[in-house]
Amino acid sequence: ILNVEQSPQSLHVQEGDSTNFTCSFPSSNFYALHWYRWETAKSPEALFVMTLNGDEKKKGRISATLNTKEGYSYLYIKGSQPEDSATYLCAENTGFQKLVFGTGTRLLVSP
Amino acid sequence: NAGVTQTPKFQVLKTGQSMTLQCAQDMNHNSMYWYRQDPGMGLRLIYYSASEGTTDKGEVPNGYNVSRLNKREFSLRLESAAPSQTSVYFCASYGIGNEQYFGPGTRLTVT
Repeated sequence: ILNVEQSPQSLHVQEGDSTNFTCSFPSSNFYALHWYRWETAKSPEALFVMTLNGDEKKKGRISATLNTKEGYSYLYIKGSQPEDSATYLCAENTGFQKLVFGTGTRLLVSP
Repeated sequence: NAGVTQTPKFQVLKTGQSMTLQCAQDMNHNSMYWYRQDPGMGLRLIYYSASEGTTDKGEVPNGYNVSRLNKREFSLRLESAAPSQTSVYFCASYGIGNEQYFGPGTRLTVT
């Protein structure tokens, strides 16, 4: 069983702050790294899928980077807004389309 | 295009009762998955089906059975429910763009 870890477990920031969180994963047998946004009472929604070392992806104020050699990915949110409040999940795909999820970082953005 | 649908949304069972959770996707995806989500544990894979006619165990298969009825449908059965199976269950399917799409979840309580 893989061990995908996320930190911090939770984060509380003020509106306008920029923030980032970490996902670390075993780097052997790497195929892809996924980031999801998960709002309370909804289902997880895909943000990014990254496959290559050095990949950077961006969607609006949210971006992510990937280092497959050292086994980590960062998710950045620039100028956090209250609607960014959610749990952010990462998951490693080691092939065969099976994902192993971390436990998530719960973000709360206060107005 | 409904994406991934699950029924029921909520269910309460007594210990020893059986039930089947239904999942269907209309995106013509080959792979489908069942996860459970428990506090502090993240999403854990119960079973998956890489294609119609095949199923494989995930991380936590004990106490569950699955059926890939056709390409669209993937059901999860609890033969004799136990309180430890109280959880939120998510079905997902995997698309060509390397993204997993999740259903809205089924909240199951076993008393």
